[in-house]
Amino acid sequence: DAKTTQPNSMESNEEEPVHLPCNHSTISGTDYIHWYRQLPSQGPEYVIHGLTSNVNNRMASLAIAEDRKSSTLILHRATLRDAAVYYCILEPSNDYKLSFGAGTTVTVRA
Amino acid sequence: DAGVTQSPTHLIKTRGQQVTLRCSPKSGHDTVSWYQQALGQGPQFIFQYYEEEERQRGNFPDRFSGHQFPNYSSELNVNALLLGDSALYLCASSLGGQGEAFFGQGTRLTVV
Repeated sequence: DAKTTQPNSMESNEEEPVHLPCNHSTISGTDYIHWYRQLPSQGPEYVIHGLTSNVNNRMASLAIAEDRKSSTLILHRATLRDAAVYYCILEPSNDYKLSFGAGTTVTVRA
Repeated sequence: DAGVTQSPTHLIKTRGQQVTLRCSPKSGHDTVSWYQQALGQGPQFIFQYYEEEERQRGNFPDRFSGHQFPNYSSELNVNALLLGDSALYLCASSLGGQGEAFFGQGTRLTVV
């Protein structure tokens, strides 16, 4: 399974941006980078994904390093509802499973 | 759109028994994947069903089996339950099996 490394936890203040790093030094050229989050007592929720270029959607932005060995999920203005475990996952083109690691637990302070 | 629905939400079974969990995918989706999530850990892939066939399987014993019906809904069956099978079982649906996956709320299975 393609491996990612994330910090165990991060804290943020409400209304401030959150930058969640992810290292994936063994990424191959056709691996997509996915981010999911899991709020307490819920199933995982898709956040964003990308291949090479930076991506934006209504939830977040994904910044991908030029060499693709790392990426950063950016929550532009954290709210209390953003408190969750965030998972960075590589999805190979020839693989159908999502390989979840331990993720980063994000705490948002009011 | 109801999204992905799973039933039941909670279940208690005795060691050695068999259990069936059910999943209805999001409207328009044709692929269903099942995951097991132990307390405090990330979800682990069990298998994926597409066109009523098991297309890919994770590292789970044969006690775990599944089925996909013509309407794309799916069942997960676990035989000879062990205490270690206690977990949250998640169903995810997608179109074609890759890209954005939608997860259900899960079924919490407790084996006593």
